[in-house]
Amino acid sequence: KAGVTQTPRYLIKTRGQQVTLSCSPISGHRSVSWYQQTPGQGLQFLFEYFSETQRNKGNFPGRFSGRQFSNSRSEMNVSTLELGDSALYLCASSLEASRTIWSPLHFGNGTRLTVT
Amino acid sequence: AQSVTQLGSHVSVSEGALVLLRCNYSSSVPPYLFWYVQYPNQGLQLLLKYTTGATLVKGINGFEAEFKKSETSFHLTKPSAHMSDAAEYFCAVSDPNSGGSNYKLTFGKGTLLTVNP
Repeated sequence: KAGVTQTPRYLIKTRGQQVTLSCSPISGHRSVSWYQQTPGQGLQFLFEYFSETQRNKGNFPGRFSGRQFSNSRSEMNVSTLELGDSALYLCASSLEASRTIWSPLHFGNGTRLTVT
Repeated sequence: AQSVTQLGSHVSVSEGALVLLRCNYSSSVPPYLFWYVQYPNQGLQLLLKYTTGATLVKGINGFEAEFKKSETSFHLTKPSAHMSDAAEYFCAVSDPNSGGSNYKLTFGKGTLLTVNP
């Protein structure tokens, strides 16, 4: 079974540009979460999608947005890039067969975004 | 609001020695607790979790952790370190009642484990 796939693996953008990152969850997984990892702030929750609906959101500015498609694939978008947006962006998916039983998060290898 | 504190950003042990990585959390409700491991240029892999039930939980690769509510701790241990254990370890907490989702995790800053031959 294929794992969580994130594309691209590496990305270099210039300040002011916008970027879209893609995440393909494990087949059958309906929940997709996004995290930002930086040396200074560590791992921070961005948002989570379930069945195409944003179910939870972290404390990030509106420049960070996401969506989920009917096949559970997800994208996140960052507009008007700033130097501080340079980070490893991690996507994680989960089966969530039941709302009362926690299902493990499976992480992808991330997209490393560098803003110059 | 939840928070996680990992004592020691860098822990160094000898191969065969005990591994002890410390994690304390703060949460207003009984939390779910996790340990993840991250190898260079990779994502996070779940080592073990505590949701309910037995407070001593066993995970992969010989790791285990004990949930101590009175100490608000969830320290990770392994009796004998292997070279392959060298990686960064993250403790995380989730509020099971948070917005109807179990997947908003609050992570600690991480502990880099070095294993010396």
